[in-house]
Amino acid sequence: DGGITQSPKYLFRKEGQNVTLSCEQNLNHDAMYWYRQDPGQGLRLIYYSQIVNDFQKGDIAEGYSVSREKKESFPLTVTSAQKNPTAFYLCASSTAGPVSSYNEQFFGPGTRLTVL
Amino acid sequence: QKEVEQDPGPLSVPEGAIVSLNCTYSNSAFQYFMWYRQYSRKGPELLMYTYSSGNKEDGRFTAQVDKSSKYISLFIRDSQPSDSATYLCAFPDNYGQNFVFGPGTRLSVLP
Repeated sequence: DGGITQSPKYLFRKEGQNVTLSCEQNLNHDAMYWYRQDPGQGLRLIYYSQIVNDFQKGDIAEGYSVSREKKESFPLTVTSAQKNPTAFYLCASSTAGPVSSYNEQFFGPGTRLTVL
Repeated sequence: QKEVEQDPGPLSVPEGAIVSLNCTYSNSAFQYFMWYRQYSRKGPELLMYTYSSGNKEDGRFTAQVDKSSKYISLFIRDSQPSDSATYLCAFPDNYGQNFVFGPGTRLSVLP
């Protein structure tokens, strides 16, 4: 079955530690995204990548880093510089097409990160 | 003014009620209009999308777009407890690269 997998489902981190969230897709999508979701605030874009070995900052990139070495993988590292990392993190992917074409974002099941 | 605003909720209705969920947007260049449904502790999934003004129906769900007013709605007829979720409106941006999401409305349908 095609889809997006995220791991782990739950993650606990001590203050000062870096942690990496995994995101893998087998949909053959070019574009991948990381969002953060907090209660009452909807989805906020952290980073996105339209192509392998290239990525751009979203609205709240500070304290986060990503890599895109393979088309199917887009891991997110939450660094110790992120002051309030406790949140629900969602990975998504889509085809990368012109603005006139229809693109749908497919989401993974999410990772809930809690800082202890 | 925020780019997308959505009824804040939460919204509680009895089973069988008609539900109206609404979003307003400020960017007149948006061409596609989407509704995502997100169950608790899950990722969002696309429920409906539409391209033009007017109505689009899919079973118990109807998406309505009024481009002149920059207003979109999602109607749910004969609501069921399984419809209890957060509903997010979404718009691909001007470059087709990113999506702008509303903050979501949490709906509870009570049996």
